[in-house]
Amino acid sequence: DAKTTQPPSMDCAEGRAANLPCNHSTISGNEYVYWYRQIHSQGPQYIIHGLKNNETNEMASLIITEDRKSSTLILPHATLRDTAVYYCIVRVPGMAAGNKLTFGGGTRVLVKP
Amino acid sequence: NAGVTQTPKFQVLKTGQSMTLQCAQDMNHEYMSWYRQDPGMGLRLIHYSVGAGITDQGEVPNGYNVSRSTTEDFPLRLLSAAPSQTSVYFCASTRGPLYNEQFFGPGTRLTVL
Repeated sequence: DAKTTQPPSMDCAEGRAANLPCNHSTISGNEYVYWYRQIHSQGPQYIIHGLKNNETNEMASLIITEDRKSSTLILPHATLRDTAVYYCIVRVPGMAAGNKLTFGGGTRVLVKP
Repeated sequence: NAGVTQTPKFQVLKTGQSMTLQCAQDMNHEYMSWYRQDPGMGLRLIHYSVGAGITDQGEVPNGYNVSRSTTEDFPLRLLSAAPSQTSVYFCASTRGPLYNEQFFGPGTRLTVL
């Protein structure tokens, strides 16, 4: 799996958009970008994934650069309940043993009132 | 659907004791996994199963056993607890190898004295 780099922490104002960057400059052509988050003391929660096109669901939007070396997760209207550690993971679906996810350090997001 | 459930939520053991962490899912998922998360760290894969009767080791399997007699249940057994096994344990499931979303349980917080 390609290595990812994320800022260790960031603050966001409640109601504003939160833009979370992720660098994955060694990504290969068949690797997808996944985002999960972990709210304090809970299990990780899937947010979104993409290969090369921008993706949007009810939780967030994922913007992947044209060269696929970086991506941005956008939480359009952050709420206090979005305070969590956000993980960017790059992998080929089905290739890792047991469909394993490799979690790095993540970005600790604090949404402030 | 209850999703992925884990019991107990908290457990304290003495060194050398054995116990079983329970994990169940009601989504008819083929793949199930056990991860551990140490303070301030990402998740590491302990064991996984790709179907009933089939299990394999992850990256940190020593000191743990698993079995998968049914699709729904995937218990994790600690054979002789050690302080190094103090951690939060998460069970996860996914429909199969090419499915992108993994569902995590709420975790079991284990302390070994």
